[in-house]
Amino acid sequence: AQSVTQLDSHVSVSEGTPVLLRCNYSSSYSPSLFWYVQHPNKGLQLLLKYTSAATLVKGINGFEAEFKKSETSFHLTKPSAHMSDAAEYFCVVSSGSARQLTFGSGTQLTVLP
Amino acid sequence: DAGVIQSPRHEVTEMGQEVTLRCKPISGHDYLFWYRQTMMRGLELLIYFNNNVPIDDSGMPEDRFSAKMPNASFSTLKIQPSEPRDSAVYFCASSSPDGAGGTDTQYFGPGTRLTVL
Repeated sequence: AQSVTQLDSHVSVSEGTPVLLRCNYSSSYSPSLFWYVQHPNKGLQLLLKYTSAATLVKGINGFEAEFKKSETSFHLTKPSAHMSDAAEYFCVVSSGSARQLTFGSGTQLTVLP
Repeated sequence: DAGVIQSPRHEVTEMGQEVTLRCKPISGHDYLFWYRQTMMRGLELLIYFNNNVPIDDSGMPEDRFSAKMPNASFSTLKIQPSEPRDSAVYFCASSSPDGAGGTDTQYFGPGTRLTVL
C-alpha cells in the first residue's frame, strides 16, 4: 500500500522569497517519488523525479526536492519564487514496478508581488 | 514531440447523452493511462493499457464507462449514458521505460473538461 500527504493545501509567498512545499509518503517498497505542477486549465507537467539514484533531485525551473527516508519526506523547494510559479503542485508516489501513481491532494502556491 | 494529445478540450453535453473522449499518446510509449480529476476526489486512475491491452480497470466507476485502445496511437474513453456527476477533467497520460530506474515517468495531456448538464 502507498499513500502521500501534502501537509499544506495553500502556501503563499512573496516574489523573490523561498518556496517550501511539504510532502510525506508511505510505501511498502522502495518508492519512486514525483512532483508535478498544474497551471490553471492546463495538464500536469513533471517537475522532477526521485528513483534512488541521488537523494537530492534537481528539476526544472529551479525547483529541487530532497528524499529523506528517515522522515519519509520529499519536500519541494525553490530558493526564489517567481510570479510564474503560481500553480498547483502535486506530490506523487509509486512503488516498485507498479504503474499506479498515488497523488497527493495538491498544494496551491500563490506568489505575491 | 507533440506530447500527449487529447480531444476535445471542452465538452458540454446533456444528461443521458453519449460522450467520447480521445487520446493520442506520445509515439513509442507502450503504456496509456486515463485519469479523472474532481474537486472532491482529486486525481484518480480509471484504467491503464500496456501495448493496447487493458491491464487494470479497477478504477472505472461504473459500467457506463468504457475504454478502448484499438492501436498504439489512439485510445477512447466513452461514457454512456452520461450523468451530471461525471462532470470532471479527464486526463490521458502515456509512459515508457526511461532507463532512469523506478517507476516510469508519465506524461500528461492537457485534459478534457467535461460538463454534463
